[in-house]
Amino acid sequence: NAGVTQTPKFQVLKTGQSMTLQCAQDMNHEYMSWYRQDPGMGLRLIHYSVGAGITDQGEVPNGYNVSRSTTEDFPLRLLSAAPSQTSVYFCASSYSVRLNTEAFFGQGTRLTVV
Amino acid sequence: RKEVEQDPGPFNVPEGATVAFNCTYSNSASQSFFWYRQDCRKEPKLLMSVYSSGNEDGRFTAQLNRASQYISLLIRDSKLSDSATYLCVNGGATNKLIFGTGTLLAVQP
Repeated sequence: NAGVTQTPKFQVLKTGQSMTLQCAQDMNHEYMSWYRQDPGMGLRLIHYSVGAGITDQGEVPNGYNVSRSTTEDFPLRLLSAAPSQTSVYFCASSYSVRLNTEAFFGQGTRLTVV
Repeated sequence: RKEVEQDPGPFNVPEGATVAFNCTYSNSASQSFFWYRQDCRKEPKLLMSVYSSGNEDGRFTAQLNRASQYISLLIRDSKLSDSATYLCVNGGATNKLIFGTGTLLAVQP
């Protein structure tokens, strides 16, 4: 049982480049989300989805796009990378959109923008 | 004011000690509460849910005080392996799972 799979684990980008962070879950979870984690800031919600075809913004959505064409996949796109987007990114999924069940996290993507 | 606030620590305690963390939340409509544990450079993992009546899981006890809008985590008989960051989490009110910044615990031999 793979759970939540994120790729890549590490990435270095140049300012202005674009890229997509991949996230897939095999647990048939309704709810998926993306967070970034910076020192002293905790996990901040970027975007989330309550089901296929439905996405919404979190606390820090600027510079990021998401889509949810299937239940399993929830990619995060960086449109034009900036040094301020250097961070650790986590994808998470939960069974219920009521958020009263456990959230499972991927192993994270460490992104550096130079 | 942040939606979820925690003392970042670090809490340095000797093995065998009892340590308690508190967390306050601002959204009185929050439905669900959790404590997650995060080891260094790893992903967060669920430690325990927090129920209105309080709940215990081995050496760990979690409590919720809705009137004062805080949750707590008590760890008894601390082990070296308890060293980690403990994240307070609430969700359900706005379709968003909100994390605190975490409290760092270092258990010393």
